[in-house]
Amino acid sequence: EIVMTQSPATLSVSPGERATLSCRASQSISSNLAWYQQKPGQSPRLLIYGASTRATGIPARFSGSGSGTEFTLTISSLQSEDFAVYSCQQYNNWPLTFGGGTKVEFK
Amino acid sequence: QVLLVESGGGVVQPGRSLRLSCAASGSTFSTYGMHWVRQAPGKGLEWVAVISCDGNNKYYRDSVKGRFTISRDNSKNTLHLQMNSLRAEDTAVYYCSKDHKCSDAGVIDYWGQGTLVTVSP
Repeated sequence: EIVMTQSPATLSVSPGERATLSCRASQSISSNLAWYQQKPGQSPRLLIYGASTRATGIPARFSGSGSGTEFTLTISSLQSEDFAVYSCQQYNNWPLTFGGGTKVEFK
Repeated sequence: QVLLVESGGGVVQPGRSLRLSCAASGSTFSTYGMHWVRQAPGKGLEWVAVISCDGNNKYYRDSVKGRFTISRDNSKNTLHLQMNSLRAEDTAVYYCSKDHKCSDAGVIDYWGQGTLVTVSP
């Protein structure tokens, strides 16, 4: 199975600042990567798929990049509603696998 | 907009069985694949199983193969997960979730609110 590794585990950011989250796959997954946001007590929400395509209704401040084994999610200017856990997920092979998540917290 | 509502969670003893259900509405259920994804308390997301839009293709994670069965009834817009021989490590919130394609995809674009399964003596 493909192992997804996210870093850092926790990111402390002030509102208005830029946040950069990393995700690494244990083998090449082309661009078959999705990012999800999950707030406490809520279900995950799809942000990005195809490594860089924003899902419907996702603000332009969220952007994704990368291919192969290295991927990045960037939040250009953090809003209060963006403090959450972000998980990457590969869909190049079964089983689908998720990273352990990056918690974006208020600095 | 798709609405997914899970039911059937609860507390069960190790070795026993439980059947989860998910009622879907708001879109054409028979046109997209469906997944079960779980999340143990305080842990990350873990994919469990997928079924294609027509029910012909199914995949499972290794740890549930032979114990869990995913199924769907397109005439009733429902998804099921039959869980047998439950173990303590199966304790989690189970999310019913929708794929953005019929099969062989893996992008999950809608999630239910989840149902908690607790396996405990």
